[in-house]
Amino acid sequence: QQPVQSPQAVILREGEDAVINCSSSKALYSVHWYRQKHGEAPVFLMILLKGGEQKGHDKISASFNEKKQQSSLYLTASQLSYSGTYFCGTEGNAGNMLTFGGGTRLMVKP
Amino acid sequence: DAGVIQSPRHEVTEMGQEVTLRCKPISGHNSLFWYRQTMMRGLELLIYFNNNVPIDDSGMPEDRFSAKMPNASFSTLKIQPSEPRDSAVYFCASRLGQVQGYTFGSGTRLTVV
Repeated sequence: QQPVQSPQAVILREGEDAVINCSSSKALYSVHWYRQKHGEAPVFLMILLKGGEQKGHDKISASFNEKKQQSSLYLTASQLSYSGTYFCGTEGNAGNMLTFGGGTRLMVKP
Repeated sequence: DAGVIQSPRHEVTEMGQEVTLRCKPISGHNSLFWYRQTMMRGLELLIYFNNNVPIDDSGMPEDRFSAKMPNASFSTLKIQPSEPRDSAVYFCASRLGQVQGYTFGSGTRLTVV
């Protein structure tokens, strides 16, 4: 079953922060986050594994609450280059394959 | 490293024709995935292979779709006969291990007229 992402779209000014949420109805082994720019392929950002953890690089970080089967992606002090569509992908205990959410379209304006 | 290589980048074909999409995964990656992306349905998993063996093809829409991975460096997705509703961007992705992210190819934009 497809994870649910919220919000569906967000518009920011440069320097503002954003949070994107991903929620699943089933137990999860891992959560992935990807960013896709228009006309391009999705690009891997980070993976969070069961055990509950928080990760980050640069000004993008994420958390994973396995009890709630939820993950959040945090973008701080956003830059124009952060614009794109963000997808979470969830992996259940059974397998190796990702089920992607519907995506969150992020637009950062000057 | 050249990344995941897909061909062709664009394909326009007439309804009823056979279409073959090709993918070369990153050397050493042992899992390969085929996804389809449309505005209406988002990113859908079609099939995935582990060590060249098909593991889950439950996402393949119907018998018109078939996929093969004859060796670790090559996979094909075939649609025969093609229909207009097959129009989409088809992505191939590969992965080294279960705690690694996917690397996607540039995709094949298929248009069936």
